[in-house]
Amino acid sequence: ELKVEQNPLFLSMQEGKNYTIYCNYSTTSDRLYWYRQDPGKSLESLFVLLSNGAVKQEGRLMASLDTKARLSTLHITAAVHDLSATYFCAANMIKAAGNKLTFGGGTRVLVKP
Amino acid sequence: DSGVTQTPKHLITATGQRVTLRCSPRSGDLSVYWYQQSLDQGLQFLIQYYNGEERAKGNILERFSAQQFPDLHSELNLSSLELGDSALYFCASSVKGQPLANYGYTFGSGTRLTVV
Repeated sequence: ELKVEQNPLFLSMQEGKNYTIYCNYSTTSDRLYWYRQDPGKSLESLFVLLSNGAVKQEGRLMASLDTKARLSTLHITAAVHDLSATYFCAANMIKAAGNKLTFGGGTRVLVKP
Repeated sequence: DSGVTQTPKHLITATGQRVTLRCSPRSGDLSVYWYQQSLDQGLQFLIQYYNGEERAKGNILERFSAQQFPDLHSELNLSSLELGDSALYFCASSVKGQPLANYGYTFGSGTRLTVV
């Protein structure tokens, strides 16, 4: 069974500083997803990482994937208040029926001035 | 608007009751996934339908059932409700039975169920 773990569970950030969220998964997966969720809202897709060494960037967020280490990171550069949200990573198991996504527990990010 | 429509947005009901949550996938999407999000369990996969057929099953209780209709909308039925069933229920859709390489799932805005 695929397990996905994120850490930290909570991240208090200072504006202007850099931070990293880690996502480990237990078995081989062929793609890794990052989502953002604002309180009480839906999940918004941020990145889809398809292969080892993949790196994607959007604004202050950059995600990378190391399939050998079964690790993805979400790096936040020069945090700003608007980035306060909960971030989820998710993975799917190769060739599993339906290819459902298994989510990590989420990292709640609070950016303080 | 993601294109995935869930109704109702909020639902308050008593223990022992039965409710139906509805999801209309994004136009062109054949696959529907249901997830439950609670504070203590996080996002849990419940069930997936692809073009009317059940494709995968997760941690779905026997009191819960789902179906996907010919017009591709899906309904999640929750019966004999308990306090612990209070959660956000999300529906997501994708074009194929597998998450698309470049898009993954598109999530609806969710139904917040409160059982009192």
